[in-house]
Amino acid sequence: AQKITQTQPGMFVQEKEAVTLDCTYDTSDQSYGLFWYKQPSSGEMIFLIYQGSYDEQNATEGRYSLNFQKARKSANLVISASQLGDSAMYFCAMREGYSGYSTLTFGKGTMLLVSP
Amino acid sequence: ETGVTQTPRHLVMGMTNKKSLKCEQHLGHNAMYWYKQSAKKPLELMFVYNFKEQTENNSVPSRFSPECPNSSHLFLHLHTLQPEDSALYLCASSPSSRELFFGEGSRLTVL
Repeated sequence: AQKITQTQPGMFVQEKEAVTLDCTYDTSDQSYGLFWYKQPSSGEMIFLIYQGSYDEQNATEGRYSLNFQKARKSANLVISASQLGDSAMYFCAMREGYSGYSTLTFGKGTMLLVSP
Repeated sequence: ETGVTQTPRHLVMGMTNKKSLKCEQHLGHNAMYWYKQSAKKPLELMFVYNFKEQTENNSVPSRFSPECPNSSHLFLHLHTLQPEDSALYLCASSPSSRELFFGEGSRLTVL
C-alpha cells in the first residue's frame, strides 16, 4: 500500500485564488512528520511547510497552511492568493518515527498551474 | 543560491563509462541523502549517511556506489549503468529529523 497518496495529478487555479492540494498518508507510527515541497522546472525541491504528528495547531508559513486532520490521516496544503510563480510540482512527504535523520517517503506529486 | 550544491547539473554517459556525481553542503548538517527521481514515479531514497556513516541502503544496485568522505561532501560513483537509470539524482542534507534541504539535482542520461 502507498504510504503517501496524492490523488490530483494536476490542478488549475486563477491568480489570487486559493487552492487546496490533497494528501493522505498511511502509518501505524504514533510519531511522524508531514512535509510539503515545491519543485519548479529548475528541479530543486523547495521545503514549504512541516507538521508534526503531536502538533495540535495546523502549521502555517506565510501563504501556505497545512490542514491536518489526524483521524482522517490527511495533510492537505492550502495556498492562499495564488501567484504565477506558484506554478510547479508539489510533493507531500512523510517521516515515520525518529532516528536523528529524515528518511522521507514522497507521494507522486500534483502539478499546479496558475493562470493570469 | 542553495546551501546544497550538485555537480554536474547534466551528464550524458554510455553504458560502459564511469562517472561520478558530487554533492556539497554548506549548512553544517549531519545527514546527507541521495534520492532518484524518475518520470512519473515518486522520489526514491537511495542512500543515507549520518555523521559520515551509511545508515540506509535502499536495495540499490551495486552499479551505484556512494562515498561520504566527510560530513560536507557526498559522491555517487556510477559504472556500467543501464538506460533505465536515466533520471534526476537529487542530493539533500538535514540537521536532524526535520526537513531536507535539496540541491538542484544532476540530470543523468544513459545511452
